[in-house]
Amino acid sequence: SQELEQSPQSLIVQEGKNLTINCTSSKTLYGLYWYKQKYGEGLIFLMMLQKGGEEKSHEKITAKLDEKKQQSSLHITASQPSHAGIYLCGADMGGGSNYKLTFGKGTLLTVNP
Amino acid sequence: GAVVSQHPSRVICKSGTSVKIECRSLDFQATTMFWYRQFPKKSLMLMATSNEGSKATYEQGVEKDKFLINHASLTLSTLTVTSAHPEDSSFYICSAPFSGTGDTQYFGPGTRLTVL
Repeated sequence: SQELEQSPQSLIVQEGKNLTINCTSSKTLYGLYWYKQKYGEGLIFLMMLQKGGEEKSHEKITAKLDEKKQQSSLHITASQPSHAGIYLCGADMGGGSNYKLTFGKGTLLTVNP
Repeated sequence: GAVVSQHPSRVICKSGTSVKIECRSLDFQATTMFWYRQFPKKSLMLMATSNEGSKATYEQGVEKDKFLINHASLTLSTLTVTSAHPEDSSFYICSAPFSGTGDTQYFGPGTRLTVL
């Protein structure tokens, strides 16, 4: 079974709409990373969350980690075509400092102008 | 943020040949780097951990003789796909942790390998 579940798998929104992507695990997450990827390209780091209840924002993107550190959400406000891409959550599930990340399957976001 | 580069970005090779992919941390040192493989519409699968000065650590199911990893210096790790076969065709991405921003993992742009 997938250790990190992302939902939805794909999302199509109209420009200007808000949207949320979720990342859920049955295990405690010791570090939760959000990345954006264009198909066939590398991953662009968005945000990292480590503490339960933590919330970070960058421009129109906000990420939260719940108190239990098992679920994270990525929220985009007033989406733009430039937000389109694949959003991946990755997590350190080992608790050590070995930096190994497990990834979800990704959410494909399409923003229609 | 920190920058990680990969070379080449694309490579096409014949079946049976070997291909080397380089991963470099451009503005920081990395004693550890990671190699991932990504299939179309699939998530990233961790293949191995590259350790500077010691042997790489491979994930379960990854053939170490097939995917040779060498961490030559604090800024360079290489992945060599030996005796490549068409099923090795994939997108390979490396990453390196940068402690300057709270142990964030920065990823390279990836290498698209096609084996004919």
